[in-house]
Amino acid sequence: QQPVQSPQAVILREGEDAVINCSSSKALYSVHWYRQKHGEAPVFLMILLKGGEQKGHEKISASFNEKKQQSSLYLTASQLSYSGTYFCGTEPNSGNTPLVFGKGTRLSVIA
Amino acid sequence: GAVVSQHPSWVICKSGTSVKIECRSLDFQATTMFWYRQFPKQSLMLMATSNEGSKATYEQGVEKDKFLINHASLTLSTLTVTSAHPEDSSFYICSARPSGGAFNEQFFGPGTRLTVL
Repeated sequence: QQPVQSPQAVILREGEDAVINCSSSKALYSVHWYRQKHGEAPVFLMILLKGGEQKGHEKISASFNEKKQQSSLYLTASQLSYSGTYFCGTEPNSGNTPLVFGKGTRLSVIA
Repeated sequence: GAVVSQHPSWVICKSGTSVKIECRSLDFQATTMFWYRQFPKQSLMLMATSNEGSKATYEQGVEKDKFLINHASLTLSTLTVTSAHPEDSSFYICSARPSGGAFNEQFFGPGTRLTVL
């Protein structure tokens, strides 16, 4: 089942913060976050495993609430380079199963 | 580390021809690779899971005879689009999962843009 991402799109000015949410109707083992720029392949940002972990990557961090079956990606002090489409990919278990991706959140950072 | 390559990066072909796309993990072994297709401004849709040494597992609605997948080694999977038609034009992306990885990470190749005339 495809996870639901919100918002669908967001426009920020440089330096502003944003939160992107990813919700699933099924129990999750892990959530993976990717950023894709136009015409390019998705780039891995981070993975969160069940256990409520919060991880960070420079000024991008994420949390995973397994009870609520949702994850949030936090972008702080956004930079122009953060522009792109962010996808969450979810895994229902720890087996070798493929990720199911949400529809994506288009983020545009303007000067 | 964790680099995945795809070849070609783009291809234009005539309707009815077959096109082969290669996906290689350059610095790790991958028992499992995945093939996705992505239409403009849409999400990645899983086509099939490719397992080294065994038959690929196709998602519902994906024709296995049209999209032939071969995972002959731990570093190479190929997708052949047979008798391509304009509706097969899309961005095809592979991803690879390092064998024995602790967290089931997937790393994507740069994608192949297929245009069928």
